[in-house]
Amino acid sequence: DTGVSQDPRHKITKRGQNVTFRCDPISEHNRLYWYRQTLGQGPEFLTYFQNEAQLEKSRLLSDRFSAERPKGSFSTLEIQRTEQGDSAMYLCASSFPRGAQETQYFGPGTRLLVL
Amino acid sequence: GNSVTQMEGPVTLSEEAFLTINCTYTATGYPSLFWYVQYPGEGLQLLLKATKADDKGSNKGFEATYRKETTSFHLEKGSVQVSDSAVYFCALSDGGATNKLIFGTGTLLAVQP
Repeated sequence: DTGVSQDPRHKITKRGQNVTFRCDPISEHNRLYWYRQTLGQGPEFLTYFQNEAQLEKSRLLSDRFSAERPKGSFSTLEIQRTEQGDSAMYLCASSFPRGAQETQYFGPGTRLLVL
Repeated sequence: GNSVTQMEGPVTLSEEAFLTINCTYTATGYPSLFWYVQYPGEGLQLLLKATKADDKGSNKGFEATYRKETTSFHLEKGSVQVSDSAVYFCALSDGGATNKLIFGTGTLLAVQP
């Protein structure tokens, strides 16, 4: 079990640029989540995949954000035309459906700074 | 809607002191409850969980009991160590088809030697 991995760990970009983050979940997990965490706050849900299907998107996910999970394995989160307000830690989590026993395991996160 | 409220930090304790971090929740149905810990510069690690009323989750000396009557899930540890310094997040899973987590704002714990 190698855990959830995310790449890159840090990204600095200029306002208006596009950025893409990658998440590799735990191999047998078919559920994948993206969260965003701003300084001093708890993570907030962005979107959810079951296998390759994106089943829920938060209102936080503006039309500049897009997420994919093309083969039901890794996922990408792209932010187009970045704004300074996009600066945050982007966390990925994965899980296997087990009803009330389900537990999400988090990756180390990608810290984005938009200048 | 569902929500989680945590006591504000920072909480500053001396080594070997007793720790309590309060967490209360609002939810429909019967959510599962979690405590996650975040060390500086890292992602979240699951500390403990409880899935039904009166369950006690425990790990690494930390404990929390799912109290439905008071809608609480307070985190406790009898004797903290410097290495416990971190941010602690209380969370619930909404139990719907998505089962997404809803987090509190986090409580920073600083343990001094």
